[in-house]
Amino acid sequence: GAGVSQSPRYKVTKRGQDVALRCDPISGHVSLYWYRQALGQGPEFLTYFNYEAQQDKSGLPNDRFSAERPEGSISTLTIQRTEQRDSAMYRCASSPGEKLFFGSGTQLSVL
Amino acid sequence: DAKTTQPNSMESNEEEPVHLPCNHSTISGTDYIHWYRQLPSQGPEYVIHGLTSNVNNRMASLAIAEDRKSSTLILHRATLRDAAVYYCILRKGGGADGLTFGKGTHLIIQP
Repeated sequence: GAGVSQSPRYKVTKRGQDVALRCDPISGHVSLYWYRQALGQGPEFLTYFNYEAQQDKSGLPNDRFSAERPEGSISTLTIQRTEQRDSAMYRCASSPGEKLFFGSGTQLSVL
Repeated sequence: DAKTTQPNSMESNEEEPVHLPCNHSTISGTDYIHWYRQLPSQGPEYVIHGLTSNVNNRMASLAIAEDRKSSTLILHRATLRDAAVYYCILRKGGGADGLTFGKGTHLIIQP
C-alpha cells in the first residue's frame, strides 16, 4: 500500500517568503508527526497530532512555524517569513500506535 | 524522554553478526526501548522495540539487560544494505508522543 507522501520533494524559496509543506499520511493512521533534520544530525521533533488535535507543539522553533491537520488526515506545516536557518529536510511520519512510518521528506532551501 | 547513550560509530564485516549497544541508565518502568535506523538519503525506519524481555523479528533481535539500564540491537548477519545510522530511543508505553532522536550510531559494513 501507499506510504507517507510528502510534497513538494524539493522547495527553493527566497528569504522572507512563506512556504507550506504537505504531508499525506497512511490511511487510517491516527497520529501524525513533523520533524526537521539537519545534515548529519538526527531528526528533531517539531509537533504532532492525534486526529485533528495538535497534542504537542513544543518543538516548533518560534511563532513563524505552525501546523494544522483540519480533518485528521492531511497535514500542512507552514513557515512564514522564511530565513536561511530554516533550510533543512522536513520529515513527516504517521503512526497507528507504536511504530512510526516516515515519508521521504521535503528538502527546503532558503536563499 | 529519558536519555540514551550510543557509540558514534561502529564498523563490522559483511556476513558477520553486529552488536549495537545502548545505555539508558535513567530508564523508567514505563519506558519502552525502540530502535530505528536511517539508510542514506532515506527517512528513519522502525527496526524493533521491547520492554523487558528479549525480542526477535525478521530484521533484528533486541537483548535487554535484566536491570534495563542497557540494551543491545543484534543484526545476526550484516549485509552492505545494513549500513545506516541506528537510533536507540526510549518512549513511554501507551503514549503517542513524538520520539526523541539522538545522534545514533553510524554503522559501517566492510565487504
